[in-house]
Amino acid sequence: SQQGEEDPQALSIQEGENATMNCSYKTSINNLQWYRQNSGRGLVHLILIRSNEREKHSGRLRVTLDTSKKSSSLLITASRAADTASYFCATFTGTASKLTFGTGTRLQVTL
Amino acid sequence: DVKVTQSSRYLVKRTGEKVFLECVQDMDHENMFWYRQDPGLGLRLIYFSYDVKMKEKGDIPEGYSVSREKKERFSLILESASTNQTSMYLCASSLGDRGFQGYTFGSGTRLTVV
Repeated sequence: SQQGEEDPQALSIQEGENATMNCSYKTSINNLQWYRQNSGRGLVHLILIRSNEREKHSGRLRVTLDTSKKSSSLLITASRAADTASYFCATFTGTASKLTFGTGTRLQVTL
Repeated sequence: DVKVTQSSRYLVKRTGEKVFLECVQDMDHENMFWYRQDPGLGLRLIYFSYDVKMKEKGDIPEGYSVSREKKERFSLILESASTNQTSMYLCASSLGDRGFQGYTFGSGTRLTVV
């Protein structure tokens, strides 16, 4: 069963623009994580935000978490062509003791 | 650098064959996981293991089994491959308290069953 649902499913922007992806989930969580996947490859962990945190930064990435709305957003600032990939949110609920992934957002950054 | 290695990038097997997918990590991680990824369905957990010789079913264990005889190696076994098991298989590992750390993924094995 899918815990996280990303929105939009696909996003196309030009280099230099900001990209925002959203994730909604259904049950209470311990933490939420974002991953990136280049075409046909494995996933790479980007950032983890705990349930008691509201915002976190890592380089050009900014993640927010709103536990009252059960939602998170990933902002990539000043996008580059190399940011073209699929992005997944994943939730950890503690009781389930495993990560549950959403279906992903496909980001295309064009020159 | 932390590394998870999956033995094959691409595999083609025949229906009914017994298939072994191997995953090795060199980070001394306690936790290892097998997911399959299909278009529109995202990643779905097949099996996971929190210790040697220990395994737990994920969301879609039917048709699969696993083996973890050593800490660094986690094998996924398709007992009798079927065409609906054609998919991308991803192995992952993590340190410490299960999902409290990020997962490190292998590059994936794209399995085609004909």
